[in-house]
Formats: sequence, C-alpha cells, structure tokens
Amino acid sequence: GQNIDQPTEMTATEGAIVQINCTYQTSGFNGLFWYQQHAGEAPTFLSYNVLDGLEEKGRFSSFLSRSKGYSYLLLKELQMKDSASYLCAVIDSGYALNFGKGTSLLVTP
Amino acid sequence: TAGITQAPTSQILAAGRSMTLRCTQDMRHNAMYWYRQDLGLGLRLIHYSNTAGTTGKGEVPDGYSVSRANTDDFPLTLASAVPSQTSVYFCASSDAGTAGANVLTFGAGSRLTVL
Repeated sequence: GQNIDQPTEMTATEGAIVQINCTYQTSGFNGLFWYQQHAGEAPTFLSYNVLDGLEEKGRFSSFLSRSKGYSYLLLKELQMKDSASYLCAVIDSGYALNFGKGTSLLVTP
Repeated sequence: TAGITQAPTSQILAAGRSMTLRCTQDMRHNAMYWYRQDLGLGLRLIHYSNTAGTTGKGEVPDGYSVSRANTDDFPLTLASAVPSQTSVYFCASSDAGTAGANVLTFGAGSRLTVL
C-alpha cells in the first residue's frame, strides 16, 4: 500500500522562499521525485532523491529523510511563473511512479 | 525530437462507445505508462508496460485495456465508456532499469469527456 500526503494549496509572494512538504508511507522505496505541472500542461521533472540529504538545482532544492518518510521542495526567489502544481511521487517497487494529489502554489505580486 | 505524442488532444464520447487513445514515443524508452488525472485525486496509474510484449495493471485498471506490440506504441482502449471515465489521460515513458533515476517523460495529455 501507499500513502503520499502533501498540502492541497499554498500561497507565497514573489521573491520569497516557499517550502512544500511531502510525507509518504509506502511498502518499499526506490526514490522520490518532484514534478511541476502548469495548468493545462503535462507534468515536467524537477528533482530526484534516493539518498538522504539535500539536492540543489538552481532556485529549486529537494530534501529527503528516508527514516522519517519525509521530503520537501524548496523554491527560492519565487517568480510569477512558479505558480503551478507541484507533485510528489515515490517509486515503491517496479518502475511506475505513485503520485500524491499535488500542491497548487499561487505566487502573488 | 518529438518525445511523446498523444492523440486525440480531446474527445467527447457517448457512453457505451469504445475509444482508443493513442500514444507514440520516439525516445526508444523501454517502459511506458498510462495515468488518469482527476481534480482532487491526482495522477493515478491505469496500466504500465516495462518492455515491449508485456503489460501490467496499475491502481485503476478496470474498464481499460492496453497492448504493447512494439517499443514505440502503447494504446489505451476503453471498450465501453462510462461517465466516470471522464478525465485527462497522460501517457508517459521512461528508460527504466538503467543507472540513475527512472525519470518519466509525459505526453501532452488527452482530455476525454464521456456523456
């Protein structure tokens, strides 16, 4: 079984920092992914964590703690174009990703 | 590079009719997937294929069938559509089983409305 939880909605101000949390309870673990999805578009890959710690990629960073079943996506220097849904996904076994319900982020001026 | 092509982009279908959503990738990825996305429910896996000639059931397979005759194509068929199958359908592929992350690449989606 699997249970992946993330907040439904968040609002943040342009130029600020926002942290989107994801907790998971899965029967296995082979990696955690973050995807970005703009309205009406396909999800696009942002980051991947399989070991504990922080992965930094430009304005975006992702953190993983396997012992706590916890990850977060950190977005710095927010821009209006960052308004989107952010999807947390876990591979527990096999190759398919199991997605959470997504967090809708609204960036305001 | 086209990546993944889905067709049709959108379709309105009468209940009880059959429909095949097409998915083609040109990346020579071995694994392919079909997800449906519904408001408040997120992306849910319908069927997957780890390699040509094999398929498997995901979280919500009922009412859907797939085939994987070759590497590039992975059609999704609704034999007798029902209104609860109204959704946005995303096809995805990945170069699974190789070193590194199994990153899924998604098609643009097919919006299906069943009346």
